[in-house]
Amino acid sequence: AQSVTQLDSHVSVSEGTPVLLRCNYSSSYSPSLFWYVQHPNKGLQLLLKYTSAATLVKGINGFEAEFKKSETSFHLTKPSAHMSDAAEYFCVVTANRDDKIIFGKGTRLHILP
Amino acid sequence: DAGVIQSPRHEVTEMGQEVTLRCKPISGHNSLFWYRQTMMRGLELLIYFNNNVPIDDSGMPEDRFSAKMPNASFSTLKIQPSEPRDSAVYFCASTWAGTITGELFFGEGSRLTVL
Repeated sequence: AQSVTQLDSHVSVSEGTPVLLRCNYSSSYSPSLFWYVQHPNKGLQLLLKYTSAATLVKGINGFEAEFKKSETSFHLTKPSAHMSDAAEYFCVVTANRDDKIIFGKGTRLHILP
Repeated sequence: DAGVIQSPRHEVTEMGQEVTLRCKPISGHNSLFWYRQTMMRGLELLIYFNNNVPIDDSGMPEDRFSAKMPNASFSTLKIQPSEPRDSAVYFCASTWAGTITGELFFGEGSRLTVL
């Protein structure tokens, strides 16, 4: 069985400061992990993915995430927030043994000027 | 390349009317998913198809909802009769099931309002 927990429903940061969006997962098998972004009135777009290669994954728009098996975490970070990063972010887990795609409940990122 | 195409983008209808939402997946993809998104319940998987065959429809709320995929390039989600609680944004997503199953390509969504 798999599950994913996004620890914060809302995160606010000032423009130019670092972003940290937290995600913890549970999986009986080797997981694949993803982050998606959804801008207002848009569909979800893949930001980055981890698939058992390098544990530090770089995505689009300067985001990256680190897979930490010992902590069962896959937190999303960005060194310097931009106003255009204001959106909702979803952490997703799947396992190679089945076709379940589990979405977290989402974290809404607010960027303060 | 064209992405996943959904229509209509917005639909306003009255309770009791039939609603049909349409989706054209990315050419070459063989898995298609229908999701519903609301503020209260977040993103919910309704049904998904593999090679045009429904694999898991356990998320379909009730008999008022039905989905079809008559061919690899077209799918519909129908609600009959519609109710105000069906108001939501409905997303279609597609992928190639031979690769990583979590890498989905989403359409822009169909926003449904049932009065």
